[in-house]
Amino acid sequence: EVQLVESGGGLIQPGGSLRLSCAASGFSFSTYAISWVRQAPGKGLEWVSTISGSGGDTYYADSVRGRFTISRDNSKTTLYLQMNGLRAEDTAIYYCVKKGVAASFDYWGQGTLVTVSS
Amino acid sequence: QTVVTQEPSFSVSPGGTVTLTCGLSSGSVSASYYPSWYRQTPGQAPRTLIYNANTRSSGVPDRFSGSILGNKAALTITGAQADDESDYYCVLYMSTGTWVFGGGTKLTVL
Repeated sequence: EVQLVESGGGLIQPGGSLRLSCAASGFSFSTYAISWVRQAPGKGLEWVSTISGSGGDTYYADSVRGRFTISRDNSKTTLYLQMNGLRAEDTAIYYCVKKGVAASFDYWGQGTLVTVSS
Repeated sequence: QTVVTQEPSFSVSPGGTVTLTCGLSSGSVSASYYPSWYRQTPGQAPRTLIYNANTRSSGVPDRFSGSILGNKAALTITGAQADDESDYYCVLYMSTGTWVFGGGTKLTVL
């Protein structure tokens, strides 16, 4: 059974930093790209970032490029999102999502809440 | 700036058929955007319904179908049930290795 378990969310002041983790199990981790998708309170989904299975290719939404860094440790089957320079508009539930066939997202974690507020 | 458009809300009667659409602010949606659809109920993570425009995800009832209709991707629900009330999101894959979600459609069954 595929499982994606996010952690690391919390309350952080504007300008601060936070690192999210996503522990994966139940599939060949290094084979698949993994993404972060976020959802601000009461709002829709927003794709944030994707990393290839090897970790060699990374992609970012314009809204986070230069502030967020996605990475993975295939030996630990864990995905990370380093978030720097956090802003109030980064407040959201952050979901870890496995990439499926044909550019889809096939498995979603339950999410971790990040709140940026003073 | 690519904007993916969805109807903000839609209503369907129990047993009825509804088609939700997913378009682009500029241009047409084609299969090369690999449109996929997700449903989300309050407090839950999204779940995959349709990928590659028209392929149902495992376990999804055949009441749900995806297609390209004209210049948009479409999700059709036939025989709507009360528990189909959800938010429905489409997402398009851009050739730059990025994705753009639509704003979502809140479906009411009444």
